Amino acid sequence: AQKVTQAQTEISVVEKEDVTLDCVYETRDTTYYLFWYKQPPSGELVFLIRRNSFDEQNEISGRYSWNFQKSTSSFNFTITASQVVDSAVYFCALSEADSGYALNFGKGTSLLVTP
Amino acid sequence: EAGVTQFPSHSVIEKGQTVTLRCDPISGHDNLYWYRRVMGKEIKFLLHFVKESKQDESGMPNNRFLAERTGGTYSTLKVQPAELEDSGVYFCASSQGPVLYNEQFFGPGTRLTVL
Repeated sequence: AQKVTQAQTEISVVEKEDVTLDCVYETRDTTYYLFWYKQPPSGELVFLIRRNSFDEQNEISGRYSWNFQKSTSSFNFTITASQVVDSAVYFCALSEADSGYALNFGKGTSLLVTP
Repeated sequence: EAGVTQFPSHSVIEKGQTVTLRCDPISGHDNLYWYRRVMGKEIKFLLHFVKESKQDESGMPNNRFLAERTGGTYSTLKVQPAELEDSGVYFCASSQGPVLYNEQFFGPGTRLTVL
């Protein structure tokens, strides 16, 4: 069974729009970590955030914000006032004790921001 | 400080041939991970080294795949003989300690095409 679901395959927005990327996860562990990575056209995976299961505080970093809701098993990512440079594939990932803490990735959401 | 490097960046081989992918982790990182993304699917964990020891190889698809990390420095992933379904992007990542406490840094990936 897929542990991380990113239902949005592709999203296209116009610059300056806000956009939210959805991530729903599934785990039986009480201790786990959630991650977001960005994959720009150059191909490497760039770490954006790590959140542990005991910390439901939302986080804001510049134009990026993350909403962690254990009740709905979701860890959504919002980009405010999107820019062309935000165009990339974004991956949500889960790390659990049962899997030796290896990363379980979603299929990714391809975000295109047009001028 | 140099990041995770992978060689080659691209490899095109014919079915039945052998290919060896190399990953050089960030210096001092004991933990090394291999992941694979097959076209249109999620990034899947293959295996995890701690120094030269295989900590978890539960994600290795079959015995055509052999990973080594002699001396606990760089790692190689050999596919022999390659099949069409092995095509994809192979990512390597390293971390200083367990992913619970340490960010995994990813390399740019090796794109493997099996014809």
